[in-house]
Amino acid sequence: SQELEQSPQSLIVQEGKNLTINCTSSKTLYGLYWYKQKYGEGLIFLMMLQKGGEEKSHEKITAKLDEKKQQSSLHITASQPSHAGIYLCGADIESSNTGKLIFGQGTTLQVKP
Amino acid sequence: DVKVTQSSRYLVKRTGEKVFLECVQDMDHENMFWYRQDPGLGLRLIYFSYDVKMKEKGDIPEGYSVSREKKERFSLILESASTNQTSMYLCASSLGRGAWPPADNYGYTFGSGTRLTVV
Repeated sequence: SQELEQSPQSLIVQEGKNLTINCTSSKTLYGLYWYKQKYGEGLIFLMMLQKGGEEKSHEKITAKLDEKKQQSSLHITASQPSHAGIYLCGADIESSNTGKLIFGQGTTLQVKP
Repeated sequence: DVKVTQSSRYLVKRTGEKVFLECVQDMDHENMFWYRQDPGLGLRLIYFSYDVKMKEKGDIPEGYSVSREKKERFSLILESASTNQTSMYLCASSLGRGAWPPADNYGYTFGSGTRLTVV
C-alpha cells in the first residue's frame, strides 16, 4: 500500500472553480513538498511545509499542513487552464531527515475552459 | 538556468540492448536519485546515491544498475532492456541528508525526464 495517499486520483473542473487535493500519511510528515508536472515533463517545485498548522500561498495556490502533520491539502482558487497537470506530494517520513522523499501517486487535474 | 539535465527526452531501444540514461546536476548536490513513473503507480525509486561511488537500492532495483563516478553525474543502466521497462525515467538531486530543519531548498530538483520505449 502507498505510504502517501493522494486524493482524488483525477479531477476535472470548470475554469473558475475552486478545488482541493489531499495528501495523507499514517506517519508523521517531516517536510512535505508539493510538485506540479506538465504532461511528459519533469516536476516543478511549488512549496514546502514543515510545521504543524503551517499554511503557504503562491498566487492562487494555497497549501496547508495539519496540526498532527499527517495530512496536507493543496487548494486552488479560481482555477485556470494553466493549472492543469499532475500534482504530486512528496515527504520525508523519517525524523532524521535522510534527504530521501517518498511520493504520492499523483492527482491529474484537467481544467475545462 | 537548467540545473538537472537528462541526456535524452525520448529514447527508443530494442529488447536486450544495454541502455544508459545520463543525469547531470550543477548545484553541487550530494544526493541523486533515479525514479520511474508509470500511470497509476506514481514515482517509484530505483536507485539513489548519497555520495560519489556510493549507491543504494530503492524499491525496484531489479534489472537496473547505477554509476556515480563524479559528484555531478549519476547514470542509470538497463543491463538488458525489456518491454516492461518502457516508462518515464526521472532523475533528481537534493542537498545532503542530515540537514535540519527541512527547508524549501532541501527538496528535490528534477530533470525533464526521459521517456524510454523498449520495442
